[in-house]
This record gives sequence, C-alpha cells and structure tokens, in this order.
Amino acid sequence: DVVLTQTPPTLSATIGQSVSISCRSSQSLLHSNGNTYLNWLLQRPGQPPQLLIYLVSRLESGVPNRFSGSGSGTDFTLKISGVEAEDLGVYYCVQSTHAPWTFGGGTKLELK
Amino acid sequence: EIQLQESGPGLVKPSQSLSLTCSVTGYTITSGYDWSWIRKFPGNKMEWMGYISYSGSTNYNPSLKSRISITRDTSKNQFFLQLNSVTTEDTATYYCARLDDWGQGVMVTVSS
Repeated sequence: DVVLTQTPPTLSATIGQSVSISCRSSQSLLHSNGNTYLNWLLQRPGQPPQLLIYLVSRLESGVPNRFSGSGSGTDFTLKISGVEAEDLGVYYCVQSTHAPWTFGGGTKLELK
Repeated sequence: EIQLQESGPGLVKPSQSLSLTCSVTGYTITSGYDWSWIRKFPGNKMEWMGYISYSGSTNYNPSLKSRISITRDTSKNQFFLQLNSVTTEDTATYYCARLDDWGQGVMVTVSS
C-alpha cells in the first residue's frame, strides 16, 4: 500500500499567519493517464471531512482561495495564506492513484 | 446538491456482522462516480474500505477483502456496507462518500 507521511502532526497558528502542511508519498502518485490523484481534506470538529483540493492543485468549488496545493511525484504541500478561525481542524492528504486509496495521518491545526 | 446519509445500528456485538445503508439524494448513483465507504478510527486514522462504481463493479481494500461486501439498490438510490466477523478493532465512525461529498457519519461501537 502507498504510505502517505504528513508533517507536522500538529500546527499552532495565529489568525492571519500563513502555514504549510507536507504530504510525502512512498511512491509516485502519477497515474498512467497523466493525472496525479492527490487530494486534501479538512475535517472540522463535529463535521464530516470536506474536500478542499483535488488533483494536487485544483480548488474545490466554494473553497476560499487562501488554500492552495502544489507538488508532484511524491512530494506535496497544502498552503493556507492567512489562517482564519474557520480553518481549524484536522487536515488529511489522500491518494486515489493506487488501490487501495490511502490517507495521511492527519495534521491538526490549532490556534496559538 | 448531492447529499449522502448513513443509517444503521450504533452497537454491534463481536463476531456479528455490521450493516450500514447510505441513502443518496440529488444524484443517481448509476449515473457516475465511485461510491465509497470510509471509516475513521478513534484518534485520526482514516481507512478507505472500498467502493461500488456507478456500473456496479466493486473494489475493496485488501485488508478487509474476506469480510467486506458493498452492494446497492438502484431503485432506492442506496448502497450498503456489510462487514462480517467484527471485533473491537472495527469500532469507528463510518462514512459513505465520493470524496467531494460525504455523509455525516455514523459511529459504530463493537462491544458485548
């Protein structure tokens, strides 16, 4: 199975601060069809996960543009440019290039 | 707007079967997409269990392959999870999802 390693496990930020989360894969997530199926989810407390970013860098409809994704191959990053209070929760990267789909261990974003 | 809603018992005895239903509104499950079951264990760990595609084919996580079955009732626009021979290790919140849309989740405890 593909192992996704997310760092850091916990992130403390102030409102307005920019932060980044890393997701590293044990193998390339480039599919034979040319797409890279690396996605980012946010789970706020008491809520189901919500898709933020798909195909590495594409913003899901309705997601604020302070969220951005980048990377290729095995190394990916989610950046939040100016944290807002509603951004607190647990972030996951998830890959669906290789079966079985696998998730990173999560990064909990807290207020400092 | 697509909505997914899980239903099923919140308590299952060890060695019994866990059965959950996902009711989908706003989209016909035979029109497209893969319809997944995903679970979140106490803590942050997430696991993709498997999916049934719009065509009816299934794909399961090999870690569960001997115990899991995902089926559907197209007349009711529902799909189902059955997990056999459960243990306390199967205690989790179970979500039906298609990555961009998630149900609220149902917490299932395995206990005698």
